[in-house]
Amino acid sequence: GENVEQHPSTLSVQEGDSAVIKCTYSDSASNYFPWYKQELGKGPQLIIDIRSNVGEKKDQRIAVTLNKTAKHFSLHITETQPEDSAVYFCAASKDSSASKIIFGSGTRLSIRP
Amino acid sequence: DAGVTQSPTHLIKTRGQQVTLRCSPKSGHDTVSWYQQALGQGPQFIFQYYEEEERQRGNFPDRFSGHQFPNYSSELNVNALLLGDSALYLCASRPGTAETQYFGPGTRLLVL
Repeated sequence: GENVEQHPSTLSVQEGDSAVIKCTYSDSASNYFPWYKQELGKGPQLIIDIRSNVGEKKDQRIAVTLNKTAKHFSLHITETQPEDSAVYFCAASKDSSASKIIFGSGTRLSIRP
Repeated sequence: DAGVTQSPTHLIKTRGQQVTLRCSPKSGHDTVSWYQQALGQGPQFIFQYYEEEERQRGNFPDRFSGHQFPNYSSELNVNALLLGDSALYLCASRPGTAETQYFGPGTRLLVL
């Protein structure tokens, strides 16, 4: 069945350093890959997304890469700041309506001052 | 412009009871989806509503049902509650066939 694996489950980086979170997906028909940030007591917030016809996308300090052949995609956060501390989820969807999103298990990112 | 809103924020029920959770989508959004997020896990898709009909469903039993009203707001009903139904229930909305979904803050349900 559809599955998204995410690692690491926890990540601690020094403020100013980069953080990388990696995911793999099982269904080769997946074509939409959003990343969400969830802060304590809040719902997930979309921070960036990428579609299968694009290999890389960047938005300020955040970038995502997608390798369709290997079914891998990654989130890169550069120049990390204390407000980047949160749980990050990768996800994948294969239908055009994209409502059924399969989420990874999450990465708890902590930024050390 | 208000985002996705959900009520109540917290709820405590006992096993066997029934619960109704409510969601108002973001303005201009007509498609609503519900997700269950157990502690320490990613959200799991329950179902999607569009034009007042259930369009897609995840691997959840029939105890989970929903409804969408003409104003696009939605309800999630869970019957015969089990301890394992304790979770954060998230509502997400999007306009039409757009891919980006916006999540509400969730309703935290505790079943004792």
